[in-house]
Amino acid sequence: GEDVEQSLFLSVREGDSSVINCTYTDSSSTYLYWYKQEPGAGLQLLTYIFSNMDMKQDQRLTVLLNKKDKHLSLRIADTQTGDSAIYFCAEAGFQKLVFGTGTRLLVSP
Amino acid sequence: NAGVTQTPKFQVLKTGQSMTLQCAQDMNHEYMSWYRQDPGMGLRLIHYSVGAGITDQGEVPNGYNVSRSTTEDFPLRLLSAAPSQTSVYFCASKQPSSGGYEQYFGPGTRLTVT
Repeated sequence: GEDVEQSLFLSVREGDSSVINCTYTDSSSTYLYWYKQEPGAGLQLLTYIFSNMDMKQDQRLTVLLNKKDKHLSLRIADTQTGDSAIYFCAEAGFQKLVFGTGTRLLVSP
Repeated sequence: NAGVTQTPKFQVLKTGQSMTLQCAQDMNHEYMSWYRQDPGMGLRLIHYSVGAGITDQGEVPNGYNVSRSTTEDFPLRLLSAAPSQTSVYFCASKQPSSGGYEQYFGPGTRLTVT
C-alpha cells in the first residue's frame, strides 16, 4: 500500500537554506505535493511536481524528485522566520492524498 | 469566495454523544473529503464524495457517517463519540482536473471527546 515518511523536526537559522526530505512507496503516483500548515490553520498547497519531472523551481522553493529511489525533497532558500510551520509531503493515491507525518520546521533569528 | 468553511472551530463532547461537523465550499467543486489529523500520523482520509448523492469510505471510516445532498455541503456525523475520535478534522475540496489532486482545505475543527 501507499506509505509516505518524513523526518519529524528540522531547525535552521534565518537566512540559511532548509531541506525537507520525504520518501514514498507508490511508484505509480503521478503527482507529489508539498503542503504547509501554520499553527491553528488548515493546509496550504505550496507546490507540486509531476512524476516525469526531476526538478521544479518556484521562487525560493525547489522540489527535487528521484523517482528511482522514491525520494522527494523541498528546499527553501533564504529561510525566514515566517517559514516556521509543519510541512507535509503527499502523494496522489486513488481518490485521496496520502500524507506523510509532517516535518516541523523551526527557524531561529 | 469564502473557499472551504468549517464549523465549529472547537468542540468538546462526552463519550456517547453525537454531533455533526459542518463543511461548506462555494467553489462549485465536485469532490469533497474529510481527513483527521493526529500527532505523528499525518492526515488520514475518513470519507469522500465525488459529487452530490455519491459518497465512499476512506482509510478510517468507522464511527463516522457522511451524506452529500448538495454540491456545497458535506457534513460529517459522529454517531456515538469515543475518546479515540479526539482529533483535528479537516474538510477539503477540489475540482477534478488533469492537474492532479490540488485540494483546498478548511481551517479545521478541533474535537475533544472526554
